[in-house]
Amino acid sequence: DIVVTQTPRSLSVTPGQPASISCKSSQSLLHGDGETYLSWYLQKPGHSPQPLIYEVSKRFSGVSDRFSGSGSGTDFTLKISRVEAEDVGVYHCMQSAQVPWTFGQGTKVEIK
Amino acid sequence: QVHLVESGGGVVQPGGSLRLACAASGFNFYDYGMHWVRQAPGKGLEWVTFIHYDASSIDYIDSVRGRFTISRDNSKSTVYLQLNSLRVEDTAVYYCAKDKVPRTIDHWGQGTLVTVSS
Repeated sequence: DIVVTQTPRSLSVTPGQPASISCKSSQSLLHGDGETYLSWYLQKPGHSPQPLIYEVSKRFSGVSDRFSGSGSGTDFTLKISRVEAEDVGVYHCMQSAQVPWTFGQGTKVEIK
Repeated sequence: QVHLVESGGGVVQPGGSLRLACAASGFNFYDYGMHWVRQAPGKGLEWVTFIHYDASSIDYIDSVRGRFTISRDNSKSTVYLQLNSLRVEDTAVYYCAKDKVPRTIDHWGQGTLVTVSS
C-alpha cells in the first residue's frame, strides 16, 4: 500500500497570513493514464470532509482561490494564501493512484 | 444538490453484524461509483471499499475483505455496506462518498457511527 505522510501535524496561523501543508507519498502518484492522483479535503470540527483540490492542483467547484495545490511524483503541497477563521479544521491529503486509496494522518490548522 | 444520508449504525458486540445504507439524491446515482470511508475516534480517514456504477468492479481494503460486502440498488439510489464478523478495531464513523471520475471523491455524507464493544 502507498503510505502518505503529512507534515506538520498541527499548525497555528495568524489570520491573513499564509499557510502550507506538505504531503509525501511512498511511491509516485503518477498513474498510467498520465494523471497524478492527489486530492485534499478539509474536515471542519464536527463535520464530514469537504473537497478542496483534486489531481494535485485542480480546485473543486466553489472552492476559494485562496487554496492552491502543487507538486509532482511523491511530493505535494497545499497552500492557503491568506488564512481566515473559517479555514480551521483538519486537512487531509488522499492518494488515489493505486488501490487501496490512502490518506495522510491529517494536519490540524488553528487560528492564533 | 447532492445529498448522501447514511443509516444503520449502532452498537454491536464483537463478531456481530450490521448493515449500513446510504441514500443518495441530487444526481444520477446510476452513473457514479460510490465509496465507503471510515474514521476511528480521534483518528484519520481510512478508505474501505468502492463499487463501480454498475457493480462490475469492487475493491476492498485488505483488513475488511471477506468480512464486509458493498452492494448497490440503482433503482433505489442506495448503496449498502454489510459488516460481518465485526471487530473492536472496526469502531468508526462510516462515511458514504460519491466518486468523481476519474479518481477522486467529491461529496461526502454526514456519517454513521458503528461501535463494536462487548
